Amino acid sequence: DTEVTQTPKHLVMGMTNKKSLKCEQHMGHRAMYWYKQKAKKPPELMFVYSYEKLSINESVPSRFSPECPNSSLLNLHLHALQPEDSALYLCASSQGWRGNSYGYTFGSGTRLTVV
Amino acid sequence: DAKTTQPNSMESNEEEPVHLPCNHSTISGTDYIHWYRQLPSQGPEYVIHGLTSNVNNRMASLAIAEDRKSSTLILHRATLRDAAVYYCILRDDSNDYKLSFGAGTTVTVRA
Repeated sequence: DTEVTQTPKHLVMGMTNKKSLKCEQHMGHRAMYWYKQKAKKPPELMFVYSYEKLSINESVPSRFSPECPNSSLLNLHLHALQPEDSALYLCASSQGWRGNSYGYTFGSGTRLTVV
Repeated sequence: DAKTTQPNSMESNEEEPVHLPCNHSTISGTDYIHWYRQLPSQGPEYVIHGLTSNVNNRMASLAIAEDRKSSTLILHRATLRDAAVYYCILRDDSNDYKLSFGAGTTVTVRA
């Protein structure tokens, strides 16, 4: 299995809703990432998990809450979002070992619309 | 993070080679040069990466200047499926796991 699987593919949520995005990989990768991508813009890094521990938070608002229950699964919990949070949310994974460089594998993303 | 500079857009004809330049004059000794591409409505896709030597794989070739201040991604025979945004990214493996995207080059392939 060489894929990163993201669910759901599309999500519409109200500003008072709570929802979660899910990301799964079975490549044995030990680093996992959340990116946000607005239309016509490059992806922006949000969070990095390394060996199931949060290692980087790029000053993301607390209405976004990441979780890494195990080495294969990454969640992004959403609460009280704003319409400007509407974007494509991408998950990625990589080998996660420092001192050498490996390619990242990205999922196809969750298209989120906040109404 | 060391920065990269790429042209905003490039056009190519189908079955012709495409040379995508990337300038990275502030590259450090521990920076790897990564290339990713993003097809419409998809997540980014790893293309190739290298440190000092030229690299080849089934998708593309990466030519790295001797002083490492620039590199070129080469698609040997462009197909319509190669129309995408191509990102040249420097990644420092000595510090953290960041892969930070710049604006990229939008490649259009004419049939």
